Amino acid sequence: EAQVTQNPRYLITVTGKKLTVTCSQNMNHEYMSWYRQDPGLGLRQIYYSMNVEVTDKGDVPEGYKVSRKEKRNFPLILESPSPNQTSLYFCASSLQSQYFGPGTRLLVL
Amino acid sequence: LAKTTQPISMDSYEGQEVNITCSHNNIATNDYITWYQQFPSQGPRFIIQGYKTKVTNEVASLFIPADRKSSTLSLPRVSLSDTAVYYCLVSLGEDQGGKLIFGQGTELSVKP
Repeated sequence: EAQVTQNPRYLITVTGKKLTVTCSQNMNHEYMSWYRQDPGLGLRQIYYSMNVEVTDKGDVPEGYKVSRKEKRNFPLILESPSPNQTSLYFCASSLQSQYFGPGTRLLVL
Repeated sequence: LAKTTQPISMDSYEGQEVNITCSHNNIATNDYITWYQQFPSQGPRFIIQGYKTKVTNEVASLFIPADRKSSTLSLPRVSLSDTAVYYCLVSLGEDQGGKLIFGQGTELSVKP
């Protein structure tokens, strides 16, 4: 089954404690991206990747890092999380007709 | 850079046709327009996509005028299960780096 998976689905952490949210797709898509979704602000793109080893900033990249060492995986890294990064995060693959993951709900205390 | 604007909310009744319009300024000729549906606690789900004129699939139609400054998602005969948030998305072409611009979302409420 074609899908995008994210882990963890829910995460509570404290300010400054590094965390990684994993994203994996099994459709051999070259394009992958990360979004955050906040009430009243809709979906905003954090980072995207056109292919392996190629990443670019989206609209809200501050405080985030990504890597794309292999085509199927695109982890999102928060080196020093802050409360304003409390949000719902979605990973997606494919530039056209994007497939979205189930979301990761992050709470930073 | 392209920016998208859509109504925050809309109400409808079962069986009616619903049209949701998204305005997108500065859209380039090779940018395509996509619409997504999102239910609570789920990721957005692809509905339809187009470049120009009219596109139709089994669930919706997409109307794009010649100037491409707007697009209209048309849902025929909505049902209660169509209650969701609908997003338009402008996808900048690969020659522009592949950036994606989402609208704020339109919350559609379908009543019996």
